[in-house]
Amino acid sequence: AQSVSQHNHHVILSEAASLELGCNYSYGGTVNLFWYVQYPGQHLQLLLKYFSGDPLVKGIKGFEAEFIKSKFSFNLRKPSVQWSDTAEYFCAVRDFQKLVFGTGTRLLVSP
Amino acid sequence: NAGVTQTPKFQVLKTGQSMTLQCAQDMNHNSMYWYRQDPGMGLRLIYYSASEGTTDKGEVPNGYNVSRLNKREFSLRLESAAPSQTSVYFCASSEVAGLGSYEQYFGPGTRLTVT
Repeated sequence: AQSVSQHNHHVILSEAASLELGCNYSYGGTVNLFWYVQYPGQHLQLLLKYFSGDPLVKGIKGFEAEFIKSKFSFNLRKPSVQWSDTAEYFCAVRDFQKLVFGTGTRLLVSP
Repeated sequence: NAGVTQTPKFQVLKTGQSMTLQCAQDMNHNSMYWYRQDPGMGLRLIYYSASEGTTDKGEVPNGYNVSRLNKREFSLRLESAAPSQTSVYFCASSEVAGLGSYEQYFGPGTRLTVT
């Protein structure tokens, strides 16, 4: 079965700093990858997804992620974070008919 | 179009009590899922239903049962609640059909406390 690792559990940044959150999945082949965001007190929302094609995926709110097959990675990036990006971020990989989620990264952006 | 709805939003139970968490989706999705979210553990799949009439265990099914009542509704039952089941429970749905699918849509969650 697939598994997902998110190595950064807590990240603190100042506004306008660049963001990169790591995500690694366990084995190759055809993969479907996702990043979800959970704002405080809310449910998970999809930021972006990768199914095939261009390995650089652009999502909502200025986020992007790069699929690197050789590294089994799907890192999330944003060039300049805002205070409103404070949230928890989850990487997920499809495992047959299910999604397997990482343990999440809490991002705190200070104004 | 409400998406995925869950009831109740909050619940406090005593150890040994039972309850059912309700979930409904209006997106005509085939697949539905129940997760629990605990600090530092991410989301863990309890049960899922790939299509109407089928249910399967996820990562942490012990202490729970589910019913896929129809295509819209998927309920989660705690027969005898335990403090270890204190958590936030999320229901999700997805259309599992070919490439471009599997994206899951989440409900607002139920915060359950078992004392």
